[in-house]
Amino acid sequence: EIVLTQSPGTLSLSPGERATLSCRASQSVSNNYVAWFQQKPGQAPRLLMYGASSRATGTPDRFSGSGSGTDFTLTISRLEPEDFAVYYCQQYGGSPPWTFGQGTKVEIK
Amino acid sequence: QVQLQESGPGLVQPSQTLSLTCTVSGDSISSGTYYWNWIRQLPGKGLEWIGYIYYSGSTYYNPSFQSLVTMSVDTSKNQFSLKLRSVTAADTAIYYCARGQSGYSYGLFDFWGQGALVTVSS
Repeated sequence: EIVLTQSPGTLSLSPGERATLSCRASQSVSNNYVAWFQQKPGQAPRLLMYGASSRATGTPDRFSGSGSGTDFTLTISRLEPEDFAVYYCQQYGGSPPWTFGQGTKVEIK
Repeated sequence: QVQLQESGPGLVQPSQTLSLTCTVSGDSISSGTYYWNWIRQLPGKGLEWIGYIYYSGSTYYNPSFQSLVTMSVDTSKNQFSLKLRSVTAADTAIYYCARGQSGYSYGLFDFWGQGALVTVSS
């Protein structure tokens, strides 16, 4: 099973600032099949990015993803008020079980 | 637009069986295009994939749940279900159903239900 470790646990930033979230895998993720989800309180996770760097339908272009192998990054170029939430990475490369990171909370400073 | 909706008891007694159903609208399970998943979120914690079922009834369960979980599908009702046996308080969580993509991306969850909170308590 691939273990995903996200850092930092919490990111305290102001609107307009840049956010950089990290996701590190315990072994290489096949085909760089890493997805990122956004979750707001009381809501289900929402798919933001897939394949490490492709935006899902409806994802604003201030969100970008990068990385390969074991190291992946989600960047939010300029934080909007609606971007303050918890973000999870997930790997879906190869065979199951598919796994999630423990999450990074982006909070208002 | 695809929609998924979980339903089932919100309270289950310890050692009993947790049962949930997911009703899909806006898509047909029997199309065979997608995989249908259960994922849970423990209180204040991360997400855990439980397993998937395909329209044919074939399943794949996370080894962490292997001996305790059963999934089934009813294509006539466009529903799929989860049963988790011998539950304990540690199984208290929000349970989500989610659609998985096809092909090599079948572990990519693009649509989720709103979630069902299940509490295990006597």
